[in-house]
Amino acid sequence: AQSVTQLGSHVSVSEGALVLLRCNYSSSVPPYLFWYVQYPNQGLQLLLKYTSAATLVKGINGFEAEFKKSETSFHLTKPSAHMSDAAEYFCAVAGGTSYGKLTFGQGTILTVHP
Amino acid sequence: EAQVTQNPRYLITVTGKKLTVTCSQNMNHEYMSWYRQDPGLGLRQIYYSMNVEVTDKGDVPEGYKVSRKEKRNFPLILESPSPNQTSLYFCASSITDSNQPQHFGDGTRLSIL
Repeated sequence: AQSVTQLGSHVSVSEGALVLLRCNYSSSVPPYLFWYVQYPNQGLQLLLKYTSAATLVKGINGFEAEFKKSETSFHLTKPSAHMSDAAEYFCAVAGGTSYGKLTFGQGTILTVHP
Repeated sequence: EAQVTQNPRYLITVTGKKLTVTCSQNMNHEYMSWYRQDPGLGLRQIYYSMNVEVTDKGDVPEGYKVSRKEKRNFPLILESPSPNQTSLYFCASSITDSNQPQHFGDGTRLSIL
């Protein structure tokens, strides 16, 4: 069975500081990995996805994530936080024996201070 | 505009009164899925559908039913709602399966008293 663990339910950074949101996954097959962002009172939007083409994946709004198979990690980073990055972020894994299942992590709320 | 539309957006109801949350997508996607979001638990998959008349259980299917009679629609049915089904529900679709990025609706907040 696949699973996702996001380390840290809340992360707080200052504007302009590095953003690092951690995600570790478990999958019995090569995974498809996603980061989604949820702004208040909205649905989820795709930030980026990993599909084995390249280990460093660039997404929207300056975010990127690096797939590290040896560490089973897919951490999300952004060099310089902006106030508009404040939201909840979800890591998700697909690609198990069923092509239908998608498993999300618990979510990380990012707060950005002026 | 490509979108996933859920209705209603908000609903307060009582235990045992059957309800249906509708979901419709206009992108001709084969795959559709339902999730519930609860604080500290992230999103958990309820049911998914790979195509018309093809549905399967996710991780938390108990107390829910779905149907996929048309490609664009994937309603979620709570035949006898209970308070533990109070949650925020999301419908999503993708072009083929869960390996592809999903488009999410804006959510339906259900309160079961």
